[in-house]
Amino acid sequence: QVQLVQSGTEVKKPGASVKVSCKASGYTFTSHGISWVRQAPGQGLEWMGWIRVFNGNTNYAQKLQGRVTMTTDTSTSTAYMELRSLRSDDTAVYYCARLYYDILTAYYSHLDYWGQGTPVTVSS
Amino acid sequence: DIQMTQSPSSLSASVGDRVTITCRASQSISRYLNWYQQKPGKAPKLLIYAASSLQSGVPSRFSGSGSGTDFTLTISSLQPEDFATYYCQQSFSTPTWTFGQGTKVEIK
Repeated sequence: QVQLVQSGTEVKKPGASVKVSCKASGYTFTSHGISWVRQAPGQGLEWMGWIRVFNGNTNYAQKLQGRVTMTTDTSTSTAYMELRSLRSDDTAVYYCARLYYDILTAYYSHLDYWGQGTPVTVSS
Repeated sequence: DIQMTQSPSSLSASVGDRVTITCRASQSISRYLNWYQQKPGKAPKLLIYAASSLQSGVPSRFSGSGSGTDFTLTISSLQPEDFATYYCQQSFSTPTWTFGQGTKVEIK
C-alpha cells in the first residue's frame, strides 16, 4: 500500500533552516510528483509547491520563492523540503503528499496520499 | 493567482442531514477541482477529484458536481464520522494551486 512517512518534530530559532523528509513506499516513486502543503495553527491549508520526481523540476508558491527548496533522492524514494531564514509565521505542520500523475491526460491532477505531517515550531 | 472561496465557512447539521458545501473560483477552472476532508490532528484525505470522481474507498454518500467557476460537495446523509473540515483545491492553474479557506461541519 502507498505510504508517505515524514521525519519528526522540529524546533528552530528565527533565521535558522529546517529540512523535512518524506519517505515514499508502495509505488514507483518516479511515476508521480510530490507536493508540500503547510498548515499554521488553527488555519487552513497552504500550498507550498511541488516537484516532478522523474526530472526534478520544481514549482514554488511565489511567497516562498528564494526560501524554499524541494528535492528528491530516487535511490531511497525520499523527498525533502528545506525552508530557510525561518520566521515565527513559518510555525506550522508541514505535509508531503503524492501528486498523482494521470498518464491518460498527461496531467498532475490531485493529492491522493499524504504523510502524517511534521510540526515545525519557530521560536526564540 | 486563482482565488477559491468556500461557503459557508462553517455549518451545524444533524446526523442524517443532507449537507452541501459550495466552492467558487475567481476564474474558470474547467473541472480541475478537488475536495479534501480533514479531521483534527490528522492529515487531509482526498474525497473527490476532477470535480465529480469519487476517490477509491470513499463512501458513496459523498458526491461532487460543477464546472467552470461553481462547484459543490454534497454529503447525502451526514454520518458521525463526517464531522470535519472540508477544503476545495483547484488544479487548473498549474503549477500554482490554491485551496479554499475551508468549511467546518459541526454537530447541531
